[in-house]
Amino acid sequence: EAQVTQNPRYLITVTGKKLTVTCSQNMNHEYMSWYRQDPGLGLRQIYYSMNVEVTDKGDVPEGYKVSRKEKRNFPLILESPSPNQTSLYFCASSFSVARTRYNEQFFGPGTRLTVL
Amino acid sequence: SQQGEEDPQALSIQEGENATMNCSYKTSINNLQWYRQNSGRGLFHLILIRSNEREKHSGRLRVTLDTSKKSSSLLITASRAADTASYFCATDAINAGGTSYGKLTFGQGTILTVHP
Repeated sequence: EAQVTQNPRYLITVTGKKLTVTCSQNMNHEYMSWYRQDPGLGLRQIYYSMNVEVTDKGDVPEGYKVSRKEKRNFPLILESPSPNQTSLYFCASSFSVARTRYNEQFFGPGTRLTVL
Repeated sequence: SQQGEEDPQALSIQEGENATMNCSYKTSINNLQWYRQNSGRGLFHLILIRSNEREKHSGRLRVTLDTSKKSSSLLITASRAADTASYFCATDAINAGGTSYGKLTFGQGTILTVHP
């Protein structure tokens, strides 16, 4: 089944404790992206990757890191989480704009993160 | 700033009625997409309309696009209780040269409630 998976789905952690949220897709998509969703603010893009070893900042990259060593995986790293990073996180993927011109995105189920 | 802004923020209707949601955006686009999100879950792609299209249908969905007004509308006909969800528009903006930036920008969404 074609899908985007995220782990963990729920996480409660404390300020300053490094964490990684994994994202994996099995559709051979070039493009992958991370969003956070907060009440009243909608979805905001954190980082995106056009292909392996190519990553770019989105609208709210502060406090986050990403890597794209393999095509299927795009982990989101919080080196020193803070309470303002409490949010619902979504990973998404799509074929590249160069290949299809139209980047319909497929979303993972979300990771609900609470930083105390 | 948000590229797409949906209106209304919330819409409550009875089963069988039509639901119309609007989206306005600010820049030139390659395409505009509508997504649905059931409470706390990942987004699901509904329909994509290209910048050179004015109207598109998919089942009970009808999308219009007016690039001169930089606006789009999503009409759900004969609504059902199962249509209860949040609906987001997302724009694929292009630069002055007509090239896509390769990322989607989401609005804040319209919360649709359909009462049985």
